[in-house]
Amino acid sequence: DAGVIQSPRHEVTEMGQEVTLRCKPISGHDYLFWYRQTMMRGLELLIYFNNNVPIDDSGMPEDRFSAKMPNASFSTLKIQPSEPRDSAVYFCASSPPGPAWYNEQFFGPGTRLTVL
Amino acid sequence: AQTVTQSQPEMSVQEAETVTLSCTYDTSESDYYLFWYKQPPSRQMILVIRQEAYKQQNATENRFSVNFQKAAKSFSLKISDSQLGDAAMYFCAYQDGSQFYFGTGTSLTVIP
Repeated sequence: DAGVIQSPRHEVTEMGQEVTLRCKPISGHDYLFWYRQTMMRGLELLIYFNNNVPIDDSGMPEDRFSAKMPNASFSTLKIQPSEPRDSAVYFCASSPPGPAWYNEQFFGPGTRLTVL
Repeated sequence: AQTVTQSQPEMSVQEAETVTLSCTYDTSESDYYLFWYKQPPSRQMILVIRQEAYKQQNATENRFSVNFQKAAKSFSLKISDSQLGDAAMYFCAYQDGSQFYFGTGTSLTVIP
């Protein structure tokens, strides 16, 4: 298996622009997580899905952020409009079926987002 | 409030020596899982070791072992015979039925 795939690996955009980050989880995994990593705040869980349904989005910072999972093999995290403080590395992770809380999460390589 | 605390932002160890990374957590749950993940410069997060809270025996994976103190809510990682490839950021993580938290990480340097 190719593991969790994220695209793009790097994104540089200007303030006010829309940014879309993409994730393909490992086939057969039914949990998908989006995290944001910054030096100041470490790894923060933004949202997670189970069987394509958002379960907890309490970590989404504000309405500018939205996430979708239209099918089992694809998810997007969108920021509109983007701001410089959104600059961070965004990770997608997936985990196998079963209670997510005792399963290992498999992480993608991350997308480094820079908002100028 | 921070649920997972890693109080050591940076640590260093001499190659072949042993180092312990600390982690404490806060929870009112009795059943949960704890993890240590490694993030090398490549950014790829990799699971190092996992501990189930209902198991008293400390988990071990080759040179990596944990000291799990449930009453103290402490979950430290011991790396024995440190190797240059162990240099990375290490994250402690907590998971229960609905919560997923990571600590802020400890950057480990291995000195040749």
